[in-house]
Amino acid sequence: KQEVTQIPAALSVPEGENLVLNCSFTDSAIYNLQWFRQDPGKGLTSLLLIQSSQREQTSGRLNASLDKSSGRSTLYIAASQPGDSATYLCAVSGDYKLSFGAGTTVTVRA
Amino acid sequence: GAGVSQTPSNKVTEKGKYVELRCDPISGHTALYWYRQSLGQGPEFLIYFQGTGAADDSGLPNDRFFAVRPEGSVSTLKIQRTERGDSAVYLCASSLQGYSTEAFFGQGTRLTVV
Repeated sequence: KQEVTQIPAALSVPEGENLVLNCSFTDSAIYNLQWFRQDPGKGLTSLLLIQSSQREQTSGRLNASLDKSSGRSTLYIAASQPGDSATYLCAVSGDYKLSFGAGTTVTVRA
Repeated sequence: GAGVSQTPSNKVTEKGKYVELRCDPISGHTALYWYRQSLGQGPEFLIYFQGTGAADDSGLPNDRFFAVRPEGSVSTLKIQRTERGDSAVYLCASSLQGYSTEAFFGQGTRLTVV
């Protein structure tokens, strides 16, 4: 069974600092990895999708890397803003369904 | 609509009652999923539809839970004889095909069983 771990569970940084969020998974046989953002009481917003054949994916201030062989992904958010405060979840797909980590809750202090 | 729509957004019900949760996926998406999220945890898989059929219902916790997608679009998750432990956020997602395609989630239905 795929196990997904996100460390740290919570993170607080001052505005402008770069954020580094980590995700690890136990089974490297995946189709893709997806990063999501979840605001309190809301659903999940897809941020980035990395296919298993890719090493990284970028969207604006967000960059996600994938090392499938070591079972790791990292989400970088450059120049953080208070609006980046949310919970970030990673999820891996070994077939059609996603296995999620518990998330990292980020607070960006103004 | 442009995104995945779930109704109701909140549902409070008494223990033992029956509830239905609705999901309207993105138009053209053949794959539809239901997940359940408890406080402080990541979503957990419940059921996957490809078209009208339930391709995988292995995540449904017991036979009180059932889901349908009769016309390959809207899906309904049905919970019989609700228990307090069923309280959670129920999330619906859809994707273009299933394998290796991006999943888009709705806002969820927060179910509270009192």
